[in-house]
Order: sequence, then structure tokens, then C-alpha cells
Amino acid sequence: EDQVTQSPEALRLQEGESSSLNCSYTVSGLRGLFWYRQDPGKGPEFLFTLYSAGEEKEKERLKATLTKKESFLHITAPKPEDSATYLCAVQARSGGKLIFGQGTELSVKP
Amino acid sequence: DAGVTQSPTHLIKTRGQQVTLRCSPKSGHDTVSWYQQALGQGPQFIFQYYEEEERQRGNFPDRFSGHQFPNYSSELNVNALLLGDSALYLCASSSGLAGEQYFGPGTRLTVT
Repeated sequence: EDQVTQSPEALRLQEGESSSLNCSYTVSGLRGLFWYRQDPGKGPEFLFTLYSAGEEKEKERLKATLTKKESFLHITAPKPEDSATYLCAVQARSGGKLIFGQGTELSVKP
Repeated sequence: DAGVTQSPTHLIKTRGQQVTLRCSPKSGHDTVSWYQQALGQGPQFIFQYYEEEERQRGNFPDRFSGHQFPNYSSELNVNALLLGDSALYLCASSSGLAGEQYFGPGTRLTVT
């Protein structure tokens, strides 16, 4: 069964304290892995797509990496405005649906 | 460039009633997917529409149905509402079945 597990469930950082979020996945043929940011009560905002092991993408303080079993979202020198829930999702080659993890709630304190 | 739009923003219904939610895709997109997100959980896939046909369906009962119109907009209908249907309903659009999905702001449905 296709499955996505994110850890930790919640992460509290001080401003400037770098860290990583993990996304472990099991899928029968990966088409793509997606990272989204979601603010409370709003829809997910697209961040990155990764297609193959070894691929990396960067955007401001965020960097996403992909292996055959997991993906990491690295946050460098975070700011309070980076506080949000970060969602990871996979898409199998068999179809268009996204399978999401439960998310990591990130809180960055000044 | 207009993004994905959804209406209404919030909705309160009584158990047993029926509800229709609406979605307009991002400009240039032709595929619409619907997701249900319970509080504190990741979104769960309901179904996906392309060329006015349901192309893929998640593990949801027949009470959940949808439609896509020639202008690519879409509706989600839920019949015989249950308390457990209370959730944030998200619409996502993409270019083709496997394209990157961009989400709308969601419709918050409360069933009392």
C-alpha cells in the first residue's frame, strides 16, 4: 500500500536555528514527490517537486532533497514567518492522486 | 494570473442535508482534483476530473459525487451529510492528470 510518514509531528525552533523535516514514503513506482506549506485555515501552497533520487531543489531558506526511500526539507536560519505546517505528498506512476503525510507543524520563535 | 478559487468559504449544514461546493481552476489548467482534510491531518484524495470525466477515485462512498464543466470548473456534491463529513474541502488544479497540483483556499464545511 502506498504510504507517506512525516516526522517529527511538531518542531519548535528558535529564530536562526537550522533543522530538517523528514518524509518517508512507500509507493509502487514514484512519479514525483511534492512539498507544500500550509498556513492555518488555508489551502496548501506548492513549494517543490522532486522526480528522482539525488535531485535537490532550493527556494530562499528551504532546500528539498530526495532519496529512494525518503525526502528531507532542510530549513536554514529560519524566521518566524516560516512557521506553518509542511506537507509531503507522493504521486505514483499509476495515477494523478497525491498521497499525503500528516504534516510537520513548524513553529519558529523570535 | 488568477489562482484556484473555491466557493463558498464556509458552510454550515445539518445532518442528512446535501451540499454542493464549487471550484474554478488556475488559468491554463484542465484537470481538477478534490481532497478532504480533517483537522490535524493531511488531505485525503476524493476524486479527479479530466475532460469532464472522473478519472480516478479515492476511498470515499458514493455519497460523494462530482462534475466537471466544459470550462474546466468543477463541483463536489455530498448527499446525506454525516457529522464526520465536517472538514476542509480542497480543490486542486493541474495541467493534465500528472501535472503539479495547485490548491485553492478551501471550503470549511461544518455538519451539525
